[in-house]
Amino acid sequence: GQQVMQIPQYQHVQEGEDFTTYCNSSTTLSNIQWYKQRPGGHPVFLIQLVKSGEVKKQKRLTFQFGEAKKNSSLHITATQTTDVGTYFCAGRGAGSYQLTFGKGTKLSVIP
Amino acid sequence: DAGVTQSPTHLIKTRGQHVTLRCSPISGHKSVSWYQQVLGQGPQFIFQYYEKEERGRGNFPDRFSARQFPNYSSELNVNALLLGDSALYLCASLPTGAFTGELFFGEGSRLTVL
Repeated sequence: GQQVMQIPQYQHVQEGEDFTTYCNSSTTLSNIQWYKQRPGGHPVFLIQLVKSGEVKKQKRLTFQFGEAKKNSSLHITATQTTDVGTYFCAGRGAGSYQLTFGKGTKLSVIP
Repeated sequence: DAGVTQSPTHLIKTRGQHVTLRCSPISGHKSVSWYQQVLGQGPQFIFQYYEKEERGRGNFPDRFSARQFPNYSSELNVNALLLGDSALYLCASLPTGAFTGELFFGEGSRLTVL
């Protein structure tokens, strides 16, 4: 079945440093989504990417979808303490209702 | 507007028992998905329902079942509980049964099996 791998598992950064998490699927995806989960909370949708090579920005967050639609990345510029949480990518194959989540990258920001 | 509501928020069961978890989607949303999130892992897809019909099933044993009601609320049932069923069970709603679109998650039901 479809597998989605995400690295790194943990990332500790000093406030103001940049952060990147990478996501790789074993199969071609029709779309990929990113979610953020704060400690003790539930996943909250950040963005969806659909097109090959797509790049989307949300303030300090930049999301990319690979040309082959099998990998994606999330980059945060100048991290803040409010960025703390676990970031998940989640991919969906063509014609599938199933959203397959990666294991997530847990971000800690040291003030 | 109310978001996705789930009940109960926390519950403790013993091995072999049965549990029913409930979910009410956002008003106007017709699709509900269930996910299991074990501590330290990403959510794992269990079921998706749209207009009361099962549209997708993840790799879970037959002990797991679900249904969707005419008002679009949903129940997840788990029989013969095992210790490994301890997890956060998340319900998510979508406006349609499409293959795309964001999931709106509820706060989850945290199940502990002793």
